[in-house]
Amino acid sequence: EVQLVESGGDLVQPGGSLRLSCAASGFIFSSFWMHWVRQAPGKGLLWVSRINSDGSTTSYADSVKGRFTISRDNAKNTLYLQMNSLRAEDTAVYYCAKTLVDKSVIDFWGQGTLVTVSS
Amino acid sequence: EIVLTQSPATLSLSPGERATLSCRASQSVSSYLAWYQQKPGQAPRLLIYDASNRATGIPARFSGSGSGTDFTLTISSLEPEDCAVYYCQQRTTWPFTFGPGTKVDIK
Repeated sequence: EVQLVESGGDLVQPGGSLRLSCAASGFIFSSFWMHWVRQAPGKGLLWVSRINSDGSTTSYADSVKGRFTISRDNAKNTLYLQMNSLRAEDTAVYYCAKTLVDKSVIDFWGQGTLVTVSS
Repeated sequence: EIVLTQSPATLSLSPGERATLSCRASQSVSSYLAWYQQKPGQAPRLLIYDASNRATGIPARFSGSGSGTDFTLTISSLEPEDCAVYYCQQRTTWPFTFGPGTKVDIK
């Protein structure tokens, strides 16, 4: 059974940093692109970042570029999102997600972790 | 960035009725369009990918059609559990984008 379990969400002040983690199981983690998608309270979905199977290729939404860094540890089956210079507008539930092996279509989502940026 | 627009914003129908949801792209996305369902307090769930392919375990009452810039998700006969927000998503070019969603209410 595929499982994605996020952790690390918290209340943080503007300008602060946070690192999210996503522990994966039930599939061959090292074979799949992995992603972070966020959803602000009561709002729609934003695809934040993606990383290829060996970690050599990453992409970011313009709104987080230069502030967020996606990474992975295939030995630990874990995905990360390092978030720096956080802003109020980064407040959201952050979902870890995996896509189909050959298509950027999310076939499994974690339960999400809430990041709140507020003073 | 490819912008997706969805209509209507809200759809209120009775059980057994047919629901037709629209998604329009600002430029062609070929057939690289997916649909997701999100219920309150839950993560989204994949319904349809590549415009018309049902994901594993999705009931046959859900179907998708379209290509280029205009797409449709059809729920042939609404069930009470179909009450949710439905999002379309394109994977043609990065950044991959979602539409703003259509909320389906069951009367």
